[in-house]
Formats: sequence, structure tokens, C-alpha cells
Amino acid sequence: GAVVSQHPSRVICKSGTSVKIECRSLDFQATTMFWYRQFPKQSLMLMATSNEGSKATYEQGVEKDKFLINHASLTLSTLTVTSAHPEDSSFYICSARLPNTDTQYFGPGTRLTVL
Amino acid sequence: SQQGEEDPQALSIQEGENATMNCSYKTSINNLQWYRQNSGRGLVHLILIRSNEREKHSGRLRVTLDTSKKSSSLLITASRAADTASYFCATDAKNNDMRFGAGTRLTVKP
Repeated sequence: GAVVSQHPSRVICKSGTSVKIECRSLDFQATTMFWYRQFPKQSLMLMATSNEGSKATYEQGVEKDKFLINHASLTLSTLTVTSAHPEDSSFYICSARLPNTDTQYFGPGTRLTVL
Repeated sequence: SQQGEEDPQALSIQEGENATMNCSYKTSINNLQWYRQNSGRGLVHLILIRSNEREKHSGRLRVTLDTSKKSSSLLITASRAADTASYFCATDAKNNDMRFGAGTRLTVKP
């Protein structure tokens, strides 16, 4: 099946710094990518829908200025957690939708720890 | 990389029939979750079953978990056209990383 990668897989940063997470579709072009976060022992929550060439659509309660999403190409979407704080520590996972289908593939996730 | 593997990949049934989807996984888990996704939308959480539970119900949904076989099933009873969607299982592994399967595409014909 298609492959979606995320980088980095784990990151530890100091409070106040910004962290960028990359999501790449390796063997297909994805016009739509999704970003999710999961707190420990909780279910995955959709943060935003990223459409190539346009602004991301954020879910209610997700701060746009806090979680910057850029989908500049058909194979890459980035999520930047700005001025990270310990409460931003979480598991972030992206998915990419195969064009003209309902099939989507998930990345392996990124574990963010903010000290 | 995907951990959960759903089967079938696609399922087409008539309204009123039951739909059963299966999920297998490879590593030890804390819990297993089922999600649905309507076309073009993000995932919606349906139900979570913990590793020490064997069966769980929520409305028309019934989920079973067999940790000895590392498998789970999702049963939707009395299906409706509005149940048409993709269904994903996700495993919450012991290291707290979540892994998704590729999903089952369910079509319910009116």
C-alpha cells in the first residue's frame, strides 16, 4: 500500500521553542492531508484539514496561530507547534488521502515532549 | 507503517442488513479503537475497547476483542444508508503510539 512518513518520530524541546513536524506522502500526490493529536489514553482528535495550495481548515478549539499548517506541495504538509508548552506534549499523527478516492493512509506519528 | 489490518477492504450491503468488519494487529496493546470517516472528512471516534474487555456495545455498534488472536470485530446492526463510510481500527500500543489500519469501505444501499 501507499506510504506516508512523518519526521521526526520523536522530539523533545524546551518550553517556548517552536517545533516543525513534516508529513510526506512518498509514492502518491495528496491534495488533502489531515492532522490529528492524541493525548495519553484518549482517542485521536482531528486538529485540521490541510488542502494543497490553500489555507488549512481548523477544528473548533484548535488555535490557528498556535498550530501552523502549511501544505505547499502535493507530497508535503507541515505542522509547526509555535511557542510550545508542556500541555502541547502529545502524539501527533497525519494522514494523506489518495486523490479521487476515500482511501487514506496514516503516518507513523510524532511523539512531542515539551519540557 | 500500518499495524492494524482491516478486512474486508470493501463491503457492500443492503439497508437493514448487518455489517461486520474485522481488524488484526501485531503487538501488545492498551486498547483498540474504531473510527469512521465520511468521504472527504476527518476521522470520528466511534468506540474504544480496552485490552481487558472482550465486548462492548454502543447503540447499533458492537465491538469484540480477542487478545489471544490479536483481532477485533466491529458489527453494525440494522445498517442505514447514512452508515456509508470508511471504518478504521487503531491500536494504542503499550508504548502509547497509535497505529491505524487501511480501513474498510462500507457502502449501504438504500
